[in-house]
Amino acid sequence: GAGVSQSPSNKVTEKGKDVELRCDPISGHTALYWYRQSLGQGLEFLIYFQGNSAPDKSGLPSDRFSAERTGGSVSTLTIQRTQQEDSAVYLCASSSNPNQPQHFGDGTRLSIL
Amino acid sequence: GNSVTQMEGPVTLSEEAFLTINCTYTATGYPSLFWYVQYPGEGLQLLLKATKADDKGSNKGFEATYRKETTSFHLEKGSVQVSDSAVYFCALSAVQGAQKLVFGQGTRLTINP
Repeated sequence: GAGVSQSPSNKVTEKGKDVELRCDPISGHTALYWYRQSLGQGLEFLIYFQGNSAPDKSGLPSDRFSAERTGGSVSTLTIQRTQQEDSAVYLCASSSNPNQPQHFGDGTRLSIL
Repeated sequence: GNSVTQMEGPVTLSEEAFLTINCTYTATGYPSLFWYVQYPGEGLQLLLKATKADDKGSNKGFEATYRKETTSFHLEKGSVQVSDSAVYFCALSAVQGAQKLVFGQGTRLTINP
C-alpha cells in the first residue's frame, strides 16, 4: 500500500541493548514525525523532520534517543542502552507539508525485558 | 505549556445513543484542533479538524466546534454505531508551520448492539 510503513512491528529486547526502529513515509511527504505511545504518558511528540532543515528534537526524552532521516525519506529512530521505561509503541507519521494532516503508521511495539 | 484534557473513559453506550466526548485545551496563540481515532488493530487516523475559532469540523457523522471562549472542542455524534467502537484522541497543534501534535490521554468508546 501507499501508507506509512514501520518496521519491525514488534521488538523485544533486553535492558541495556540498542534498538533501531524504521519508518518509511508516504512517497513525496516532506514532513516526518515520531511519537511515543505509552501507558503512563499517553501520546508524546519526540522529533520532527521537515525537508532538509535541522530536525526539531525538543521532544526526545534523553540523550539515549536519536533519529536521522536519510535522503529526505526513510527515518531511523535509535534508542541506546534501553531501559524498561522505554517500553512503548513508537509511531511515525508523515505529511505532504507541515500544514497538512499527518498520516500515521501502525507503530512498532517495543518491549524491554 | 500546551496541553489537552479529555473526558476520562472508558465510555460504553448502546447503539443509536448520542455521544459526547469532552475536550478542553490550554495553548498560547491560536492552535489548530483535531480529533484522531484508533480503531482496534489499526493505526491513528485523522477524524476531523478545525483551524480557527467557531469552525466546525465534521466527518462520518461526527462533529466538533472550535470554541475559543471555553477553550473546548467537544466531539459529538447523534447516533452511534457498533463500528464506532475505538479510542478517540483530541489533539492540538500550536506551532506555526509545523503540526507537532499535543494529544489528550484518549477515550475508549465501546458501543453495544
